[in-house]
Amino acid sequence: NAGVMQNPRHLVRRRGQEARLRCSPMKGHSHVYWYRQLPEEGLKFMVYLQKENIIDESGMPKERFSAEFPKEGPSILRIQQVVRGDSAAYFCASSPGTGGEAFFGQGTRLTVV
Amino acid sequence: GENVEQHPSTLSVQEGDSAVIKCTYSDSASNYFPWYKQELGKGPQLIIDIRSNVGEKKDQRIAVTLNKTAKHFSLHITETQPEDSAVYFCAASEADGLTFGKGTHLIIQP
Repeated sequence: NAGVMQNPRHLVRRRGQEARLRCSPMKGHSHVYWYRQLPEEGLKFMVYLQKENIIDESGMPKERFSAEFPKEGPSILRIQQVVRGDSAAYFCASSPGTGGEAFFGQGTRLTVV
Repeated sequence: GENVEQHPSTLSVQEGDSAVIKCTYSDSASNYFPWYKQELGKGPQLIIDIRSNVGEKKDQRIAVTLNKTAKHFSLHITETQPEDSAVYFCAASEADGLTFGKGTHLIIQP
């Protein structure tokens, strides 16, 4: 049973480009969470999704960031017109339901140059 | 929303000694409290968790205690080893996702 898969592991983008981060949850998990982690800091909640629905996006910046979790395929976190301040590690976690164990992927490290 | 406070931010202990990390939470409706260990360059790994109907849970050298009345829970690591060096995060969950503490950098001194 494969764990949570995130790709790419490392992503370099120039300012103004778009970044697309992908997350495939564990088999049987229908809940996906995205977190952002700055160096030497904790995990900041961004968005919580179930299949085809955004449940809570209170941690998402209002502009340039969007997330989806389609019926088929991975969850996507999209950052448009990236800026240097977007450089961080982005982690995805999945769980089978609310209040259940959540397992993390290895993260995507985004560097904006 | 939920707010989780974690202390200390850095903890240095001698190899073989015990380490204790403490967290408090604000939302009395939270009912699930996991602990994660994050090694450098890796994703957080679930190491132990506890639910609100249990006061204590143990798994070999690690244990977690929960005081619902006081809204705090703690991670205990006994007989610490070099491989225990990492950042540890507590979290609390009610219905929608996990709220994390800011993390504790545990350093095991040889």
